[in-house]
Amino acid sequence: ETGVTQTPRHLVMGMTNKKSLKCEQHLGHNAMYWYKQSAKKPLELMFVYNFKEQTENNSVPSRFSPECPNSSHLFLHLHTLQPEDSALYLCASSQMTGGLNYGYTFGSGTRLTVV
Amino acid sequence: AQTVTQSQPEMSVQEAETVTLSCTYDTSENNYYLFWYKQPPSRQMILVIRQEAYKQQNATENRFSVNFQKAAKSFSLKISDSQLGDTAMYFCALIQGAQKLVFGQGTRLTINP
Repeated sequence: ETGVTQTPRHLVMGMTNKKSLKCEQHLGHNAMYWYKQSAKKPLELMFVYNFKEQTENNSVPSRFSPECPNSSHLFLHLHTLQPEDSALYLCASSQMTGGLNYGYTFGSGTRLTVV
Repeated sequence: AQTVTQSQPEMSVQEAETVTLSCTYDTSENNYYLFWYKQPPSRQMILVIRQEAYKQQNATENRFSVNFQKAAKSFSLKISDSQLGDTAMYFCALIQGAQKLVFGQGTRLTINP
């Protein structure tokens, strides 16, 4: 399997639930990202991981908790979400070499609905 | 700070026509990359074309080509002989160095039969 794979594709959760989104990349990239895509809003960068280390947290509420156990896997743990957190969550990976980033490869996203 | 602006929220053309999507950007760097991504209803963000700022020649990929005007900070996408499968959201994006990818607001393109 190649590319960036996200599971699940769809998720409906209550505000008191705890769930996790999973992202896996098979491209040998060294950086991974979480983006949030809401209707009629630009894509919002949430988290950046370089070589498994978090290098950016874009003022994301603590009810979103990322985890990067290795450079191929990225998780987004969710708890006590709000209805306004309903969105498409996109994972991406990229290769950073010599201080240059050549562009991202995206997964198909998880459509999250908070009820 | 980097910014990317797409001024056309929606466009529609007939199949086989040529369509041009506009994008302007702002960056303080001299070396950067520009991208056009396509997001069809399947939701996956697919890379359409990439332009390196230090290259003067416009990038082309089959029916897709760009008009890169570095001085004007403009990066438009031309789709020739448009097909029904080109219907999607199109995002212009910019990255400089090792920094994060910054997206425009997107243009919803509809190709009509």
